[in-house]
Amino acid sequence: AQSVTQLGSHVSVSEGALVLLRCNYSSSVPPYLFWYVQYPNQGLQLLLKYTTGATLVKGINGFEAEFKKSETSFHLTKPSAHMSDAAEYFCAVSRQGGYSTLTFGKGTMLLVSP
Amino acid sequence: NAGVTQTPKFRVLKTGQSMTLLCAQDMNHEYMYWYRQDPGMGLRLIHYSVGEGTTAKGEVPDGYNVSRLKKQNFLLGLESAAPSQTSVYFCASSFGTNTGELFFGEGSRLTVL
Repeated sequence: AQSVTQLGSHVSVSEGALVLLRCNYSSSVPPYLFWYVQYPNQGLQLLLKYTTGATLVKGINGFEAEFKKSETSFHLTKPSAHMSDAAEYFCAVSRQGGYSTLTFGKGTMLLVSP
Repeated sequence: NAGVTQTPKFRVLKTGQSMTLLCAQDMNHEYMYWYRQDPGMGLRLIHYSVGEGTTAKGEVPDGYNVSRLKKQNFLLGLESAAPSQTSVYFCASSFGTNTGELFFGEGSRLTVL
């Protein structure tokens, strides 16, 4: 079984500030990890993913995330927030080996103030 | 660049009525999915399909049925709608590997009175 916990249903930052969205996972086998973003009234789109190899992965729009096995975490960061980053962000997990569907976290709404 | 298209985008039903949501994808993806999104609950998988003619249950399948008669289409049916099925429904498709990206439609907002 696999699950994802996103800490904080809402995160507020000022424009230009660091963005940090937290994600912890639980998986009985090595995981694949994803971050998706949802803008208002739209479907989700992939920001970045970790499969194997380098644990620091870079995504679109300046976001990056680091897979830390010892902490079972995959936190999403961006050095400087932009107003256009305001959206809901979802962490998700699947597992290595065999086929598994994606399990999503409950989401974190990022609010960016001027 | 249609991608994943859902119809209808909005629908209001009375309790007990039936309806079908249609999802169509033009990317030749093998795998298709139906999720529901509720406030504070994230996305929960209802049913999915790993290929034409196949379907499987997800996390919350009760009260829903699906069919995948053609590779490009995935239908979600509600036989007897209940207020608990008021939600935003998202269809997604992928090439099917665990590392593959899911491509989502824009969602269908269903209200059951």
